[in-house]
Amino acid sequence: IAGITQAPTSQILAAGRRMTLRCTQDMRHNAMYWYRQDLGLGLRLIHYSNTAGTTGKGEVPDGYSVSRANTDDFPLTLASAVPSQTSVYFCASSAQPGANVLTFGAGSRLTVL
Amino acid sequence: DAKTTQPPSMDCAEGRAANLPCNHSTISGNEYVYWYRQIHSQGPQYIIHGLKNNETNEMASLIITEDRKSSTLILPHATLRDTAVYYCIVRPRSNDYKLSFGAGTTVTVRA
Repeated sequence: IAGITQAPTSQILAAGRRMTLRCTQDMRHNAMYWYRQDLGLGLRLIHYSNTAGTTGKGEVPDGYSVSRANTDDFPLTLASAVPSQTSVYFCASSAQPGANVLTFGAGSRLTVL
Repeated sequence: DAKTTQPPSMDCAEGRAANLPCNHSTISGNEYVYWYRQIHSQGPQYIIHGLKNNETNEMASLIITEDRKSSTLILPHATLRDTAVYYCIVRPRSNDYKLSFGAGTTVTVRA
């Protein structure tokens, strides 16, 4: 089934550790996005990529980095996790930047202790 | 992006139409209205979008007022599976803009 695969589904992490959340899509979409979702705050954009080889900062990029080496993969890295990064992270993609329809993954729940 | 205002929650009876309001009084001429929903523990799902004409697809209908300052998402025959958080978003159709999700409306469909 075409779509977005995120891994891990859930992770508990000690503060200060490095963590990479993986995101792979098989729809050949050009644009990809990372959002975090926190209770009462909706979804906030962390980073995005309009096409392979390019990335950009969203609303809340501090403490996160991304790379887009190819069309399919868009990993999100927390270099040194802090408790405030406890959240549910969603990866999404769209056929083109600014397209109407975003396809979302199932999410990765991260707890930083 | 224009700000949207949605009620925090609403209930709906199964089999009845659910009408979800959204106010976007500062919407500009090039901004579209989008609706997404998020079922518990899942990622958001696109529902429908429109500019100024009413729109309908297999999931829902979108009614936009003539002055475009508000809109209503209509789920014609709500089912228990429609229980979700519904997000109304306005945004220009441009690759410089990214979707911003607010708190949305929590819709509970009751049997």
